[in-house]
Amino acid sequence: DAGVIQSPRHEVTEMGQEVTLRCKPISGHNSLFWYRQTMMRGLELLIYFNNNVPIDDSGMPEDRFSAKMPNASFSTLKIQPSEPRDSAVYFCASRRDFAEADTQYFGPGTRLTVL
Amino acid sequence: AQTVTQSQPEMSVQEAETVTLSCTYDTSESNYYLFWYKQPPSRQMILVIRQEAYKQQNATENRFSVNFQKAAKSFSLKISDSQLGDTAMYFCAFSGSSNTGKLIFGQGTTLQVKP
Repeated sequence: DAGVIQSPRHEVTEMGQEVTLRCKPISGHNSLFWYRQTMMRGLELLIYFNNNVPIDDSGMPEDRFSAKMPNASFSTLKIQPSEPRDSAVYFCASRRDFAEADTQYFGPGTRLTVL
Repeated sequence: AQTVTQSQPEMSVQEAETVTLSCTYDTSESNYYLFWYKQPPSRQMILVIRQEAYKQQNATENRFSVNFQKAAKSFSLKISDSQLGDTAMYFCAFSGSSNTGKLIFGQGTTLQVKP
């Protein structure tokens, strides 16, 4: 199994630009999570999907952030416009089903730097 | 709301020795799951071990074991025969039925294994 795949691994952009982060979950997993990791706030959940439907987006910081999951094998997290405070590592994780017992498997993360 | 607390920001241990990382949590739920994740310098989040709250037996995975004290809401991780490759940040995480399987992370403990 290839594991959770994220792209790009590194992204450097300028303030005001649109940024799109991509995630491919593990095949057969039907829950997908987006996390953000910063020194100040640690690991925080942004949004998660079950069967491609957003279940809880209360962690999305503001309207500049949006996430989609058009099918079971692909999700995007978009920031428009980006700001320097968005600089962080963004993780995608997937889980086999919605049951809380299942383990979440993380991708390698995307390190975003907004100048 | 559930919270997870790791009170040791940094720890160090000599190679081949044993170290214990502490974690406490707060919840009113009776059924939940606890996890330890490892994040090495590569920043990949790797599951180390997990514990179901309804199980009295402490989970063990090779050199890693937990001391789960449900009444005290404590979930410590013991690493035996520490190896240089154990150097990483370790996160304790909680997942309960009321938050539909979202992971709530502690602040992390940075572990340095010294040769």
